[in-house]
Amino acid sequence: AQSVTQLGSHVSVSEGALVLLRCNYSSSVPPYLFWYVQYPNQGLQLLLKYTTGATLVKGINGFEAEFKKSETSFHLTKPSAHMSDAAEYFCAVSVDSNYQLIWGAGTKLIIKP
Amino acid sequence: EPEVTQTPSHQVTQMGQEVILRCVPISNHLYFYWYRQILGQKVEFLVSFYNNEISEKSEIFDDQFSVERPDGSNFTLKIRSTKLEDSAMYFCASRPGLSRTEKLFFGSGTQLSVL
Repeated sequence: AQSVTQLGSHVSVSEGALVLLRCNYSSSVPPYLFWYVQYPNQGLQLLLKYTTGATLVKGINGFEAEFKKSETSFHLTKPSAHMSDAAEYFCAVSVDSNYQLIWGAGTKLIIKP
Repeated sequence: EPEVTQTPSHQVTQMGQEVILRCVPISNHLYFYWYRQILGQKVEFLVSFYNNEISEKSEIFDDQFSVERPDGSNFTLKIRSTKLEDSAMYFCASRPGLSRTEKLFFGSGTQLSVL
C-alpha cells in the first residue's frame, strides 16, 4: 500500500533562513509526487509536482523539491523564508489513473521575525 | 486562474440531520472529487465522480454519503444522517482530464460542525 510520511507536524524557521520540509513515501510503482500548500482559511494549492524527467522540480514562490528514488524522498526546500510562507504544507502521492491522492499529515511552517 | 467554489464556508448542524455541501467545479473539468480533513488528521479521499457516476470511493464513503451532479455546474455531497465524527473540513476538487500529471484544483472547503 502507498503511504506518505511527513516528518515534523510543526517546523519553525527564522525569516531569511532555509526552509526544509521532509516527505518520504512508499510505493510499489513509480509515483507522481506533489506538494500542496494551504494558507489560513484557504483551500489547497499546488506548489509543485514531480512526474517524470528532471528530479529537481521548481514550483511557485521560490520553492523546489528533489525526487530521490534511492531514499524514497521528496523534500521541499526554499533558500530564504519569507513571512508570507507561513502555512501548512502537504506532501501527496498519486499512484493510479483515477488520481486518488494519498496525503501526508501536513507540516505547519512557522516563520519567526 | 479559474476557481472551484464551495458553499457554505461553514455549516453547523445537529446530529442526525441531513446536510448538503455544494461545489461548483471549473466549467470544462470532467473529474470531480470530495476529500475531507478531520482536525489534526490527514486529508482523506472520499469519492471521485466522472461521467455522471461514481468512479471510485473509499471505505469512509458509506451509505450515508451520496454525491450528485444535478445540473451542468453543481456537484454536491449529501450526508444523510450526520454523526459527530463527520465534523471535518470537506474539500471539493476537479481536474480537466484523466492524466495523473494534471493538477487538482481545490475549493476553499466547507467546515462542517456536527453538534
